[in-house]
Amino acid sequence: GENVEQHPSTLSVQEGDSAVIKCTYSDSASNYFPWYKQELGKGPQLIIDIRSNVGEKKDQRIAVTLNKTAKHFSLHITETQPEDSAVYFCAAKNTNAGKSTFGDGTTLTVKP
Amino acid sequence: SAVISQKPSRDICQRGTSLTIQCQVDSQVTMMFWYRQQPGQSLTLIATANQGSEATYESGFVIDKFPISRPNLTFSTLTVSNMSPEDSSIYLCSAEIQNTEAFFGQGTRLTVV
Repeated sequence: GENVEQHPSTLSVQEGDSAVIKCTYSDSASNYFPWYKQELGKGPQLIIDIRSNVGEKKDQRIAVTLNKTAKHFSLHITETQPEDSAVYFCAAKNTNAGKSTFGDGTTLTVKP
Repeated sequence: SAVISQKPSRDICQRGTSLTIQCQVDSQVTMMFWYRQQPGQSLTLIATANQGSEATYESGFVIDKFPISRPNLTFSTLTVSNMSPEDSSIYLCSAEIQNTEAFFGQGTRLTVV
């Protein structure tokens, strides 16, 4: 089955700096890669996703890159703000197989 | 997108009892999922619930312990049966749109005493 590894487990940055979280996956059949933000006491919220036919996607301060050959994808947050502090999860899914595999999560702290 | 209402948001239960968690979606979805999340950890899939068929359980989870209902395309329930303190966790439901984007409920924080 699919295995997703996520690094780092914790990340602390100064407000205004950039943050990068990286994930690797094992199953070459995975073709959908979402990122979720989970704030304390809440369920995960989809913030950005990328499909295997695209190498990069950007939405304001958030971007995701995908390297299918190396089987890794990354989340980039620029101009970080204290409200970006949360746990971020990556996931990989084969849309023909039905279920997602999640990384272990990264706790991001943005210091004002 | 989809909005998912999950309840209860939290509960404290006696061991040996059962708790049913409800998940309501504001639109029709084919696939719904139930997860367990220990505090500070990732999401572990319990089962996939498709309307009109039996739920598909992941390794380590069985129907007798976690019976699931999926009566229609907007609703599902998960029951945690014969609870023990080891069942204390956060339980999350999610629904997928077009087999990709997943939306989650707020979670149910369960404490078994």
